Amino acid sequence: AQSVTQLDSQVPVFEEAPVELRCNYSSSVSVYLFWYVQYPNQGLQLLLKYLSGSTLVKGINGFEAEFNKSQTSFHLRKPSVHISDTAEYFCAVKGGQNFVFGPGTRLSVLP
Amino acid sequence: DGGITQSPKYLFRKEGQNVTLSCEQNLNHDAMYWYRQDPGQGLRLIYYSQIVNDFQKGDIGEGYSVSREKKESFPLTVTSAQKNPTAFYLCASVRGDTQYFGPGTRLTVL
Repeated sequence: AQSVTQLDSQVPVFEEAPVELRCNYSSSVSVYLFWYVQYPNQGLQLLLKYLSGSTLVKGINGFEAEFNKSQTSFHLRKPSVHISDTAEYFCAVKGGQNFVFGPGTRLSVLP
Repeated sequence: DGGITQSPKYLFRKEGQNVTLSCEQNLNHDAMYWYRQDPGQGLRLIYYSQIVNDFQKGDIGEGYSVSREKKESFPLTVTSAQKNPTAFYLCASVRGDTQYFGPGTRLTVL
């Protein structure tokens, strides 16, 4: 079975500052890794994914993430955030048929 | 324009009534999923279907039922047996190893 931990439930950051949202997972099998963003009262939108290949993955809206197999981590980063990045961010893993989601991190970008 | 649609966006029901949430996709995806989202929690799997006429309960399937008569449609019924039905419900479908989500339905039971 897989599990996902998002270490920070809330992350406040000032506009134009860098941000890192942390994600750790556990799994006994190889996994695929994902980050999704959710704006209020909307569905989840795929930001980026790691399936294989390069461990540094670039996604939409200037986000990137790095897969670290030895540390079982998949942290999300953005060098300079905007007010519009304020949202809930979910890390997810897929091992087998199903997907397991973390509890989410609420990113608040302050002016 | 391809995508996943869920209707209605907001739904209100009285306690003790069954209610059905719609999920339709025109992406030709085989697998479809239903999740429940509560404040401060991640997504919890209710039911999933890998193929037409086949579906399995997820982690919290009790008090819910589904059908998969067509590839495009995967409706979810919240029955009166579900103790705490008020939540945000998300439908998703899968292409390859990636899951794509609909806009969600917020169900409030009064």
